[in-house]
Amino acid sequence: EADIYQTPRYLVIGTGKKITLECSQTMGHDKMYWYQQDPGMELHLIHYSYGVNSTEKGDLSSESTVSRIRTEHFPLTLESARPSHTSQYLCASSKGDRDTGELFFGEGSRLTVL
Amino acid sequence: GQNIDQPTEMTATEGAIVQINCTYQTSGFNGLFWYQQHAGEAPTFLSYNVLDGLEEKGRFSSFLSRSKGYSYLLLKELQMKDSASYLCAQMDSNYQLIWGAGTKLIIKP
Repeated sequence: EADIYQTPRYLVIGTGKKITLECSQTMGHDKMYWYQQDPGMELHLIHYSYGVNSTEKGDLSSESTVSRIRTEHFPLTLESARPSHTSQYLCASSKGDRDTGELFFGEGSRLTVL
Repeated sequence: GQNIDQPTEMTATEGAIVQINCTYQTSGFNGLFWYQQHAGEAPTFLSYNVLDGLEEKGRFSSFLSRSKGYSYLLLKELQMKDSASYLCAQMDSNYQLIWGAGTKLIIKP
């Protein structure tokens, strides 16, 4: 069973607020990812990391930032939330084995910006 | 960009067999994945194909044809709990996953 945790699960906030979505995994995985998913739509990669002090932007243009100071922790921050940020945010990790790429997902953080 | 095409929705009967198809662009291919996602939950890994042929895992099987850019997920002896979205994803030349929008499978008694 995967050990990857996201908090908060649900968040409703006002426009302009700063928020941080937390993601932690206890599997010692090097690779971690943040995806955005709207209902019935595909997952879009917004950030990823291949290890400590490594962060990259994904395909989806995003106003968020991430950090990877510790292997197990990969928080995502929105400096000023807008209604267009309303979505589900999924954190995932993988062993880093390029031959399989099996991802383990957290339960997601559903964000609503009013 | 690379496109993953799969049907939006399918309906099947409990106990029956269903095949969910997926097509992808063949350039920059490093593997094809299937994930299951129940409503309101995160995706979970089902299968991985990198060579042509059929991979069987219990009631679920996945097939790949690299020359045709085609894969399918076969679900046998359908159960009500199989009602979910099934996501096809291609690993590209940079070893990143490109996701389809998913096929919503509805199982009827």
